[in-house]
Amino acid sequence: NAGVTQTPKFRILKIGQSMTLQCTQDMNHNYMYWYRQDPGMGLKLIYYSVGAGITDKGEVPNGYNVSRSTTEDFPLRLELAAPSQTSVYFCASSYSGPSPYEQYFGPGTRLTVT
Amino acid sequence: AQSVSQHNHHVILSEAASLELGCNYSYGGTVNLFWYVQYPGQHLQLLLKYFSGDPLVKGIKGFEAEFIKSKFSFNLRKPSVQWSDTAEYFCAVLGMDTGRRALTFGSGTRLQVQP
Repeated sequence: NAGVTQTPKFRILKIGQSMTLQCTQDMNHNYMYWYRQDPGMGLKLIYYSVGAGITDKGEVPNGYNVSRSTTEDFPLRLELAAPSQTSVYFCASSYSGPSPYEQYFGPGTRLTVT
Repeated sequence: AQSVSQHNHHVILSEAASLELGCNYSYGGTVNLFWYVQYPGQHLQLLLKYFSGDPLVKGIKGFEAEFIKSKFSFNLRKPSVQWSDTAEYFCAVLGMDTGRRALTFGSGTRLQVQP
């Protein structure tokens, strides 16, 4: 049971390039999330999904896209990278039961856009 | 909308000192509350959680937190810190009436424990 895995661990992009951050969980969780973590700012929710085929925007969705074709995978797409997207990105998942919605986090992807 | 405030951004303690990290949230309905820890270079791990019942919650590694509903607070405590507690600590809230099962995080408190 690997939990939540993310690839790559590190990436440097040039402005305007595109990339996909991969996220996979093997816990059969319905809910999955993407957060970004900026220094001193805590974690901000980018997108989330309550099940395969269903996604919704979080607090900071601009510049990102997601898809959820399977329960296990929740990739995050950056289409035109900008320096403001330099951050650490965390994927998380949780059960869809009544409570208490503990989220399990992946190890993160550190992205630099120059 | 829900929000979380962590007023202590950086705390420096000596080993064996007692710890209390403040967390206040803004949300009028039923909440689930969490404390996560992020050790240097690692991902977030759950320390403890509250969803109902006894407002004093015990977590891993000797941490505990008390939910005070009247103060909208969920402060984290540990009687005696160790050097290995050096990490960043995040408080998070989930508003149960929002229909969106996503956490709102505070900005974090960086704890540095000196040997």
